[in-house]
Amino acid sequence: KAGVTQTPRYLIKTRGQQVTLSCSPISGHRSVSWYQQTPGQGLQFLFEYFSETQRNKGNFPGRFSGRQFSNSRSEMNVSTLELGDSALYLCASSLAAASRGSNYGYTFGSGTRLTVV
Amino acid sequence: KQEVTQIPAALSVPEGENLVLNCSFTDSAIYNLQWFRQDPGKGLTSLLLIQSSQREQTSGRLNASLDKSSGRSTLYIAASQPGDSATYLCAVAPNDMRFGAGTRLTVKP
Repeated sequence: KAGVTQTPRYLIKTRGQQVTLSCSPISGHRSVSWYQQTPGQGLQFLFEYFSETQRNKGNFPGRFSGRQFSNSRSEMNVSTLELGDSALYLCASSLAAASRGSNYGYTFGSGTRLTVV
Repeated sequence: KQEVTQIPAALSVPEGENLVLNCSFTDSAIYNLQWFRQDPGKGLTSLLLIQSSQREQTSGRLNASLDKSSGRSTLYIAASQPGDSATYLCAVAPNDMRFGAGTRLTVKP
């Protein structure tokens, strides 16, 4: 079965622009979580969506937002890009929401490498 | 707040050696613990998932154990190979999957 698909794989944006990243979860998975990975901070949780609702949010500014559609696909948007937003953005899908006490594991996509210049 | 620590941060071993990677967490009220592998610039590949009611999981040359009461997990890799070179991450739930900083493993031929 198909895994988690993230598009695009690479992006180069200019400071001040905005960007939208996409994540298609494994068929049947209703939970999508987003993470930012940088060399200095490691993997940091951005937010989790389940059934089109944001269930949990990490400690990121409001410039980072997301949504989930009825088919469980999710998008993440970053507005007013800063140099520090350069990172690998990873999404993970799961059968149920970790924030709701799920003990199902996560399956990750290959990530989107965002470079802000 | 859940804190996850992985020791050592880096490890270099000769091919064929058995090795142990360590993961500790501060809050024992977890639903599961998952070990991942990450190759440079790539996404995370799930290796083993241990649910809170389980003590260990095995897959091929990999064995992971979980001791919730002490807040520890170990990943045992038998007969290491150069292809095992990667960063190994552990993560615990609930609320969100909280990750350690990883152990960078290098297996020398």
